[in-house]
Amino acid sequence: GAGVSQSPSNKVTEKGKDVELRCDPISGHTALYWYRQSLGQGLEFLIYFQGNSAPDKSGLPSDRFSAERTGGSVSTLTIQRTQQEDSAVYLCASSLAKNTEAFFGQGTRLTVV
Amino acid sequence: AQKVTQAQTEISVVEKEDVTLDCVYETRDTTYYLFWYKQPPSGELVFLIRRNSFDEQNEISGRYSWNFQKSTSSFNFTITASQVVDSAVYFCALSGPLGSNTGKLIFGQGTTLQVKP
Repeated sequence: GAGVSQSPSNKVTEKGKDVELRCDPISGHTALYWYRQSLGQGLEFLIYFQGNSAPDKSGLPSDRFSAERTGGSVSTLTIQRTQQEDSAVYLCASSLAKNTEAFFGQGTRLTVV
Repeated sequence: AQKVTQAQTEISVVEKEDVTLDCVYETRDTTYYLFWYKQPPSGELVFLIRRNSFDEQNEISGRYSWNFQKSTSSFNFTITASQVVDSAVYFCALSGPLGSNTGKLIFGQGTTLQVKP
């Protein structure tokens, strides 16, 4: 595709349910990032993937959060046993290499009710 | 630890005014990159510029200019003759060090710029 694609664009889930958010990066981009943006707030780093290297998981807020990147392409962010404080926009980005221009998707707006 | 501070939460100007958005960063690394991104009301972040720590030259791109000063750990962004379309949230970000395994970007809290006609 032409840009970073995220799905779904909106997700409403009940507290306690698991959710999966998907990110399709730009083809050929080796670096992939996940961020969380709460209403009116900055971007909170979650996880970073670089090629076949071990991901940087230092931003994951709890063990309810996990992410994987299959085949160096598509990534899935999973939140287990969702809580209301998980409500936010989850942004995915990819870049050709680390420390280069990152291209962001439109985000997935998650609402936990 | 790395940190980016954008002290200005909101700025409001009238069209054609010049405006400067401040960014101060903290890092123990000697090599790093600095970025500015724009988030318009549509929500999608757009890359504006990248600077590496070796290059302190100021940069100008049309109405946009950036002032990087290592001595004060600042990377400020100026919009000359602002326009309504410049209304957005602007984020400053930091990554590094060069050679590390991670390329994560650390973002500031953002500055909301409103340009009134």
